[in-house]
Amino acid sequence: KNQVEQSPQSLIILEGKNCTLQCNYTVSPFSNLRWYKQDTGRGPVSLTIMTFSENTKSNGRYTATLDADTKQSSLHITASQLSDSASYICVVSATDKLIFGTGTRLQVFP
Amino acid sequence: GAGVSQSPSNKVTEKGKDVELRCDPISGHTALYWYRQSLGQGLEFLIYFQGNSAPDKSGLPSDRFSAERTGGSVSTLTIQRTQQEDSAVYLCASSRNYDRENQPQHFGDGTRLSIL
Repeated sequence: KNQVEQSPQSLIILEGKNCTLQCNYTVSPFSNLRWYKQDTGRGPVSLTIMTFSENTKSNGRYTATLDADTKQSSLHITASQLSDSASYICVVSATDKLIFGTGTRLQVFP
Repeated sequence: GAGVSQSPSNKVTEKGKDVELRCDPISGHTALYWYRQSLGQGLEFLIYFQGNSAPDKSGLPSDRFSAERTGGSVSTLTIQRTQQEDSAVYLCASSRNYDRENQPQHFGDGTRLSIL
């Protein structure tokens, strides 16, 4: 069964700290993996897209990694800001569909 | 506009009524998707349009749900005889072309539907 699991479900950190969000998937055949940021009351916004051959991709303070062998991905946020408070959604693309994780809810406090 | 536009942003209606949700994709984007997001749940795929091809309706939960896309642009999602379990945020997304697997999807801010 195609599944995407994210951990932790929620996370609280202090402004300026780093954090790492995890995504494990059992999706076959694998096409690509995406991370989205979703602010409360808004639609998701794409952060990164990685194909099978890519093992890291950065977008500003966000760095995503992909290990296609272990079927794991992580999203690392450096020097967190209050505006990073949001849900982060991992999405894995199979041949003909996108499988969405339920997200990690991140709260950054001053 | 520059982004995907959805209307209304909020809709409250009584059980049993029909509702129509509208999506204006980014100009030039040929692929359009509808998703449903229930509280605390991941996005649930509903339907996908690509150009003039027959839509992928495999995610529609029942025959009360239907969608159309006129002229390859604006799309309308219709829910007939609404039930309380239909309460959710309905999100629309578009992407540049047919290669939906490697194209970023651009999402609207959704319509929050509440069924009383």
